[in-house]
Amino acid sequence: QSVLTQPPSVSAAPGQKVTISCSGSSSNIGNNYVSWYQQLPGTAPKLLIYDNNKRPSGIPDRFSGSKSGTSATLGITGLQTGDEADYYCGTWDSSLSVLFGGGTKLTVL
Amino acid sequence: EVQLVESGGGLVKPGGSLRLSCAASGFTFSSYSMNWVRQAPGKGLEWVSSISSSSSYIYYADSVKGRFTISRDNAKNSLYLQMNSLRAEDTAVYYCARNVEMIYWGQGTLVTVSS
Repeated sequence: QSVLTQPPSVSAAPGQKVTISCSGSSSNIGNNYVSWYQQLPGTAPKLLIYDNNKRPSGIPDRFSGSKSGTSATLGITGLQTGDEADYYCGTWDSSLSVLFGGGTKLTVL
Repeated sequence: EVQLVESGGGLVKPGGSLRLSCAASGFTFSSYSMNWVRQAPGKGLEWVSSISSSSSYIYYADSVKGRFTISRDNAKNSLYLQMNSLRAEDTAVYYCARNVEMIYWGQGTLVTVSS
């Protein structure tokens, strides 16, 4: 069971918007930056968001991140079938360890 | 182009040892911290270990502390993970990833611990 809590699954129709939450505590999300990763089936994870809300070069602005208190949220607009993947949040903890959420499977109906 | 290529995975018996390598190219390896992250079959991501650019700071997950050792050779642009006293629960794909944000990942190498 992960310290960072994500919903196991979310779904939405193509073109719609979806949000994925990541809940932690003051020892991790509350005092550290949050990153988000996308893992397409059979591939390595890919960084989507870092420092809570920054996008690496090449990541479309359909992907956004936000943080409030001890929770973070990934937003995806204009859903495409190619967005079907597992999504993970990640952050450092005060125990000097890196934490990942349990992952959320996105289904584009 | 940034590339991270893991190698060294394979089948090993419980209690055995394995050394993973991650060959880096396309960036100044000595300037970045590096990480090992693993993923058991059908499971989520699990952080294993991190090392700073000059090896001054090293961190481990509790699940591998005392059994795994991370190291790097900046002259060879390589990251390593020495894994001893392997257990069945260490079976996973092991990824190396660059810097704190883990902006770049390798393709992973599979480690299977089984008798």
